[in-house]
Amino acid sequence: EAQVTQNPRYLITVTGKKLTVTCSQNMNHEYMSWYRQDPGLGLRQIYYSMNVEVTDKGDVPEGYKVSRKEKRNFPLILESPSPNQTSLYFCASSFHRGDTQYFGPGTRLTVL
Amino acid sequence: QQQVKQSPQSLIVQKGGISIINCAYENTAFDYFPWYQQFPGKGPALLIAIRPDVSEKKEGRFTISFNKSAKQFSLHIMDSQPGDSATYFCAANNGQNFVFGPGTRLSVLP
Repeated sequence: EAQVTQNPRYLITVTGKKLTVTCSQNMNHEYMSWYRQDPGLGLRQIYYSMNVEVTDKGDVPEGYKVSRKEKRNFPLILESPSPNQTSLYFCASSFHRGDTQYFGPGTRLTVL
Repeated sequence: QQQVKQSPQSLIVQKGGISIINCAYENTAFDYFPWYQQFPGKGPALLIAIRPDVSEKKEGRFTISFNKSAKQFSLHIMDSQPGDSATYFCAANNGQNFVFGPGTRLSVLP
């Protein structure tokens, strides 16, 4: 089944404790992206990647890191999480940068 | 200039009625305009999309109307059903990154 998977689905952590949210797609998509969703603000793009080893900042990149060492994986790294990063996070992928994006199921992160 | 505005914030429609959600953008570099539907606890899923070379696209009960000169586009849901109750997001892409509207929560009453 073609899909985007994210892990974990739920995470509660404390301020300053490094964490990684994994994202994997099995559709051989070139373009991958991370979003955060907050009430009243819709989805805001954090980082995107147009191919392996090619990443770029979206609208809200501060406090986040990403890497794209393999085509299928695009992890989101929070080196020192803060409470304002409490949010619902979505990973998405598409064949190319202007194509339909397929979203993962989301990761709900709470930073205490 | 990267912003996409969306209205209304919430919408209540009777079953069988027409639901209309409007979006507006500033950046003329946008060239792909998708609409996403999101149910509670799920990720957004593509509903319908349009490129600026056409003024309207219809897929079943869903229609996008696009006005390039006004930099506006809208989603029309004909014969709205309770199963259409969800949050709808418009978005715009400039060939690199996506910008989403803040969302419209649609409730269709039985």
